[in-house]
Amino acid sequence: DQQVKQNSPSLSVQEGRISILNCDYTNSMFDYFLWYKKYPAEGPTFLISISSIKDKNEDGRFTVFLNKSAKHLSLHIVPSQPGDSAVYFCAADSGGYQKVTFGTGTKLQVIP
Amino acid sequence: NAGVTQTPKFRVLKTGQSMTLLCAQDMNHEYMYWYRQDPGMGLRLIHYSVGEGTTAKGEVPDGYNVSRLKKQNFLLGLESAAPSQTSVYFCASNNKNEQFFGPGTRLTVL
Repeated sequence: DQQVKQNSPSLSVQEGRISILNCDYTNSMFDYFLWYKKYPAEGPTFLISISSIKDKNEDGRFTVFLNKSAKHLSLHIVPSQPGDSAVYFCAADSGGYQKVTFGTGTKLQVIP
Repeated sequence: NAGVTQTPKFRVLKTGQSMTLLCAQDMNHEYMYWYRQDPGMGLRLIHYSVGEGTTAKGEVPDGYNVSRLKKQNFLLGLESAAPSQTSVYFCASNNKNEQFFGPGTRLTVL
């Protein structure tokens, strides 16, 4: 039972355009959501997060949107850069010992 | 400040062999975690610890044991390795809601 779903395994975007990565969740107890970025042969690194009391959080080129009623969040990267090419994991936390549940990841390729 | 380190980086085992993966963090974090990453499966939590001397099971604990004798170290043991344990293993430690990950250990069980 996949509680956090990333239905697009891969995404290709032209440099300078917007990248939109999507994530759906099923557990209503999740109250904190995170995005991690992972390069090959490295561990994931934290990118941006959002609390369930907000519907948007912005950090530079990265914005995360949360739609609680739809149990959906998305990560927008504007403008996309070749260095953004990586696997992006969505993760959700229900507040207990920070035991986050990860999605399966979306591989983003930004084409120069 | 090295962050989270993992030893070894690569290992090949034969079925039935045992080994221990070491994770160390120098950020004084209370919480530590072991994950495995498999193709198409994302990261799945094996075991975690909320402090020195404590451990708890995650989503996929079978076949693994852990120990947290010191706050900075979290050990993951495989007593009798199986081919199904071929994976990339990541350790992480936690600061509030952000987890810091190590570089991973690639384990192959033949």
